[in-house]
Amino acid sequence: GAVVSQHPSRVICKSGTSVKIECRSLDFQATTMFWYRQFPKKSLMLMATSNEGSKATYEQGVEKDKFLINHASLTLSTLTVTSAHPEDSSFYICSANRVRFNEQFFGPGTRLTVL
Amino acid sequence: GESVGLHLPTLSVQEGDNSIINCAYSNSASDYFIWYKQESGKGPQFIIDIRSNMDKRQGQRVTVLLNKTVKHLSLQIAATQPGDSAVYFCAENTGNTDKLIFGTGTRLQVFP
Repeated sequence: GAVVSQHPSRVICKSGTSVKIECRSLDFQATTMFWYRQFPKKSLMLMATSNEGSKATYEQGVEKDKFLINHASLTLSTLTVTSAHPEDSSFYICSANRVRFNEQFFGPGTRLTVL
Repeated sequence: GESVGLHLPTLSVQEGDNSIINCAYSNSASDYFIWYKQESGKGPQFIIDIRSNMDKRQGQRVTVLLNKTVKHLSLQIAATQPGDSAVYFCAENTGNTDKLIFGTGTRLQVFP
């Protein structure tokens, strides 16, 4: 089956630092990847759509300069949380659309804790 | 002061019973719907999907029902097992984009 991985699975950082999260499709190519954010006991909120070779499309209210997205290849998208603050602490989840299939495969998530 | 937050609705069922989880979706233009299961600390896991030209679809131990008239979706789990304990989300897609919009979720608790 289609597998999506995320790295790291858990990260703790100091306020003001930047954190990079990787999302990889391991056995398929994905022209489109999505980044979600999930607070405790809440649903997944779409942050942005990452398109290979072009700029990401951000949802309303998501700061593009705060959450930098790069989709450098058909198997890798990265989310960088710049100058992280405690309110950025959350569970970040990516998903990938398999080319020619209208199906999203989700990664296992990354738990970010900003002290 | 004390803060009050919204909690996920919870469905508690006895092992072996059938479970029904409901979802109201928002966009009448949505034409593709998916149910996901999310265990604690993990990403969502696909369970079953249905397109708007259908009103029922069955999988292994699961059935999804779609009522477009009232914009309602339900997930039925037969013979619920302890391993079914998780949070369940419905998601909708309009077909014009690949974006999924997730519902608020329901926590399913299975007790012996």
